[in-house]
Amino acid sequence: NAGVTQTPKFQVLKTGQSMTLQCAQDMNHNSMYWYRQDPGMGLRLIYYSASEGTTDKGEVPNGYNVSRLNKREFSLRLESAAPSQTSVYFCASSSWSRDRGLAKNIQYFGAGTRLSVL
Amino acid sequence: AQSVTQLDSQVPVFEEAPVELRCNYSSSVSVYLFWYVQYPNQGLQLLLKYLSGSTLVKGINGFEAEFNKSQTSFHLRKPSVHISDTAEYFCAVSVLWNNNDMRFGAGTRLTVKP
Repeated sequence: NAGVTQTPKFQVLKTGQSMTLQCAQDMNHNSMYWYRQDPGMGLRLIYYSASEGTTDKGEVPNGYNVSRLNKREFSLRLESAAPSQTSVYFCASSSWSRDRGLAKNIQYFGAGTRLSVL
Repeated sequence: AQSVTQLDSQVPVFEEAPVELRCNYSSSVSVYLFWYVQYPNQGLQLLLKYLSGSTLVKGINGFEAEFNKSQTSFHLRKPSVHISDTAEYFCAVSVLWNNNDMRFGAGTRLTVKP
């Protein structure tokens, strides 16, 4: 039962290089998310996709693009990496369900991608 | 937008002692509240959640949290901690009408010493 799978686990880039972080989930969830985690700042939402074919900006979208390739996959692209993008990136997925009559949307996280930009 | 403040960045405690990790939130509308745990080099795992109803919520691994609307708090507690509870703990909040926009606190690193 894989859940949310992120690749790669580690990556080192030079300033100006581009790369794409991959995320796939096998839980048939509708929504997917990309976060970055920085020391002392918790997780901040970069982009999310509420359903296949839609994407929306989160709290810190600048410098990133996303693609919801299909229901399973949601990729994050850095077109021109900067040292400020050195971080740990987490992908998550969720779907709406009912819990005691309340609608809820619990997020499940991948193991993260540790990115360093030199 | 909603926000979360975790009042302690680090909490050291001895094994079998009780612990409380503090969380305060800010929102002009009703919210859902969550605690997640992150073990070293792993992703986040849901510990417990508050949606509505009883203000005392029980989660996995013996943790519980109490929602206090008047104090806008959602503190996490465990009566007796183990070495294996050493991890980073995150409090998170989302508004009822948009669960997709979840805001996290900066995290509290719990270190349990023998």
